[in-house]
Amino acid sequence: GNSVTQMEGPVTLSEEAFLTINCTYTATGYPSLFWYVQYPGEGLQLLLKATKADDKGSNKGFEATYRKETTSFHLEKGSVQVSDSAVYFCLTAGGTSYGKLTFGQGTILTVHP
Amino acid sequence: EAQVTQNPRYLITVTGKKLTVTCSQNMNHEYMSWYRQDPGLGLRQIYYSMNVEVTDKGDVPEGYKVSRKEKRNFPLILESPSPNQTSLYFCASSFVGGELFFGEGSRLTVL
Repeated sequence: GNSVTQMEGPVTLSEEAFLTINCTYTATGYPSLFWYVQYPGEGLQLLLKATKADDKGSNKGFEATYRKETTSFHLEKGSVQVSDSAVYFCLTAGGTSYGKLTFGQGTILTVHP
Repeated sequence: EAQVTQNPRYLITVTGKKLTVTCSQNMNHEYMSWYRQDPGLGLRQIYYSMNVEVTDKGDVPEGYKVSRKEKRNFPLILESPSPNQTSLYFCASSFVGGELFFGEGSRLTVL
C-alpha cells in the first residue's frame, strides 16, 4: 500500500519565518497527495491537496507541489503566523491503493511572536 | 451542514465493559474509517469501509470491531476494552479518493 515519511518535529519558529515541512511518499499508480492540519483540541481538516504530478496545492499562504520525480510533497509557507501553530499531517491516497491509509507521524509547529 | 458526528466525545470506562463509539456522516460518502491518535505515534488507522457491508482492517485493528450496515453510519465497537485502548479516536469519511472529512474526536479513557 501507500506510505509517507514525514519530517519529524517539533518545529519552533519565530513569526514571519519561512517554513518547510518535508514529506516523501511511496505509492503505486498515481495517488493524490494531501496536507491536513490539526489545531489544538480539534479534528483534522484539509489544508491543501494535489491530484497529479506538477500540481501545486495552495491555501492560507501554504503551498506544496506534487513532485513525482522525487516522490515528494513538501509543505512551505513564506511567513508563518502565531495562528499557524498546529500539527501538520501528510497523506497519500488513491493510485492503485485506496482504503488502507497511512498518515505521516505529524509535525508539531509552534510559532512564537 | 456537511459533517461527521461522533459520540460520545468523552468517555471514561473500566476494563472489560463493552462500549460503542458511533460515527455518522450526512454527505453520502462511500468511504469511512476510524483512527486513533496517540502522542508520538501520530494517527493510525484502525478499520475502514469502502461501502455498505464492506469493511477491512487498517494498521491497528486488534481489540476493535466495526460494522457498516448503512451508508451513513460506521460504529466502532470495543468488546472488552483495556487500558492500552485509552486514546483519542477520530472517524472520517470521503468519496473514494477524495478529501477526508473528520469528526471532532472521541477521547476514551479505560481504567
